[in-house]
Amino acid sequence: DAKTTQPNSMESNEEEPVHLPCNHSTISGTDYIHWYRQLPSQGPEYVIHGLTSNVNNRMASLAIAEDRKSSTLILHRATLRDAAVYYCILRSGGTSYGKLTFGQGTILTVHP
Amino acid sequence: NAGVTQTPKFQVLKTGQSMTLQCAQDMNHEYMSWYRQDPGMGLRLIHYSVGAGITDQGEVPNGYNVSRSTTEDFPLRLLSAAPSQTSVYFCASSYGGGGSEQYFGPGTRLTVT
Repeated sequence: DAKTTQPNSMESNEEEPVHLPCNHSTISGTDYIHWYRQLPSQGPEYVIHGLTSNVNNRMASLAIAEDRKSSTLILHRATLRDAAVYYCILRSGGTSYGKLTFGQGTILTVHP
Repeated sequence: NAGVTQTPKFQVLKTGQSMTLQCAQDMNHEYMSWYRQDPGMGLRLIHYSVGAGITDQGEVPNGYNVSRSTTEDFPLRLLSAAPSQTSVYFCASSYGGGGSEQYFGPGTRLTVT
């Protein structure tokens, strides 16, 4: 399975933008880039996913490099509720199940 | 929609006991899976299913059984509990594979003494 590399931790101030990087140099052509986050004592929560083009939704934006070997999750205005562990995951497309392989993730701390 | 539900929320077992963790979803999703999360770690895939009657092993399947007789339910059975199975267990479902988002349940916290 293709792996991802994320910083162990990042910090931000409330109401400032946050850019969470992810490297996935061994990504294959059918791999989707998924982001999930996990708040303390909760199950993971879907944030966003994309294949080749940048994606926006109500929670965040996903910027994908042209060669797809890296991506960045953008939280436009961080709030205290955004403090969580953020996981960048590659999920196989095609006809396979597409299991999610979770790494260590990035612990995001948001300061008031 | 209730989404993905799991029961029980908490469970304590003695070594050697067996039990079933229940998982249900009301979104008509074909894909369902079980993960475990040990303290300070990411999630690891135990078993998954791509539809009723079809199951397969994930990364850490030993000591666990699953079956999928309906689209809605995907129970996880611990055959003979061991302290190494102390963990938080999450069930998830999705409409399809790679391009689909996964929905996770709230988790079951299991302690084996």
